[in-house]
Amino acid sequence: AQSVTQLGSHVSVSEGALVLLRCNYSSSVPPYLFWYVQYPNQGLQLLLKYTSAATLVKGINGFEAEFKKSETSFHLTKPSAHMSDAAEYFCAVSDSGSARQLTFGSGTQLTVLP
Amino acid sequence: GAVVSQHPSRVICKSGTSVKIECRSLDFQATTMFWYRQFPKQSLMLMATSNEGSKATYEQGVEKDKFLINHASLTLSTLTVTSAHPEDSSFYICSAGASLAGKNEQFFGPGTRLTVL
Repeated sequence: AQSVTQLGSHVSVSEGALVLLRCNYSSSVPPYLFWYVQYPNQGLQLLLKYTSAATLVKGINGFEAEFKKSETSFHLTKPSAHMSDAAEYFCAVSDSGSARQLTFGSGTQLTVLP
Repeated sequence: GAVVSQHPSRVICKSGTSVKIECRSLDFQATTMFWYRQFPKQSLMLMATSNEGSKATYEQGVEKDKFLINHASLTLSTLTVTSAHPEDSSFYICSAGASLAGKNEQFFGPGTRLTVL
C-alpha cells in the first residue's frame, strides 16, 4: 500500500519569497512521485515527476523537488513566489512509472501575498 | 499534444435524474482512463479505472450500479451518475493514461462540476 502525507493544508508566502510545500510518502516498492497544480475549477496539471532517475527534479514554472529516500520526502520548492503561483498543489505517488494508478495527498493551498 | 476534454464542464440536475459525463482524449489513444471525485477543499479520490473494451474496475465503496462507466473506444469514456442525489454533488475529473514519446503519463481533463438539487 502507498500513501502520501502533505504537511500543511494552507501555506502563505509573500511575493518573491521561497515556496516550500512538504510531501512525505510511504511505499513498499520504489516509488514514482508527482506534483500537480490545480487552479480553481480546473483539472490537474503536472508540475514535475520523479521516476528513479535524478533525485533533483526540475519542473515547469520554476518549481523543483528533491527525492530524499532517507527522509521519505519529496518536497516542492520555488525560489521566488509569484502571484500566479497561488493554487492548490497535490503530491501523488505511484508504484509504476506509467502513472497508471495515483494516490494523492490531501493537497496544500498556496496563497501568495502581495 | 495530450489533451483531455470533459463535457459538460458543469451541470445542474434535479434529484433522481441521471447525468452523463464524457471524457475524451483529443489527440492520442488511451487504453486506460481513470475517474476521480473531488469534494470541496479535499483531494482527488479514485472512483474507478476504465479499460477500453472491458468492464471498469471500481474502488472499494464506489457503487458500480450508481456510477456507470463505459469505455467504448480508445478516445472516449463516459461516466453516468444514475438517480443522482444531492450528496453526489462534486467535482468529477477524468484522466487518460498514455505512452507518448516513450514516456508513460496520466493526463487530466478539466473536470465537471455536478450540482444535484
